[in-house]
Amino acid sequence: GNSVTQMEGPVTLSEEAFLTINCTYTATGYPSLFWYVQYPGEGLQLLLKATKADDKGSNKGFEATYRKETTSFHLEKGSVQVSDSAVYFCALDYYNQGGKLIFGQGTELSVKP
Amino acid sequence: SQTIHQWPATLVQPVGSPLSLECTVEGTSNPNLYWYRQAAGRGLQLLFYSVGIGQISSEVPQNLSASRPQDRQFILSSKKLLLSDSGFYLCAWSVGAENTEAFFGQGTRLTVV
Repeated sequence: GNSVTQMEGPVTLSEEAFLTINCTYTATGYPSLFWYVQYPGEGLQLLLKATKADDKGSNKGFEATYRKETTSFHLEKGSVQVSDSAVYFCALDYYNQGGKLIFGQGTELSVKP
Repeated sequence: SQTIHQWPATLVQPVGSPLSLECTVEGTSNPNLYWYRQAAGRGLQLLFYSVGIGQISSEVPQNLSASRPQDRQFILSSKKLLLSDSGFYLCAWSVGAENTEAFFGQGTRLTVV
């Protein structure tokens, strides 16, 4: 079946530190992959996506590359800010219609000044 | 531009009471619509999706039901709430095409007491 496994949190970093949040998936076929971010008390916002192998999604300094050989989609950012504190969800679209998503458990990131 | 509205933002309901959560989308026609639930300490789970008026598919067996009386309106209901229905409910929409993404509302936090 389809599944997403995400690095457990919480992750605490100092401002300007390097961030990696690991995400691996199991899927039939080649689903689109996403990172969503949830700020406290809010809904989910799309952070970035990749629709095929070797695609790199990027937004707001965050990047993730769709690696078919390792079935991974790790999220990275070179220098985090306090405003990046949030919960990050990795997800795959198992129906390729945009909204039937399987999510990882979420990783809480806290960035300290 | 497209927007998605969910209400209410928070709700406290007694066990055994009915539930109605509403979601509307503006700025698009014939969207795919979705209800997700985020239980405490857990990831998001797809509950229902709809590809058109009156067309509802349930992803998991449960105490809840969904309806789509109009093209851009999606309602989540229950006749009698259980304690286990507590959680954060998110509505989402997508255009229903390949390689697209879902857009989420701000969510409703439901506490059943």
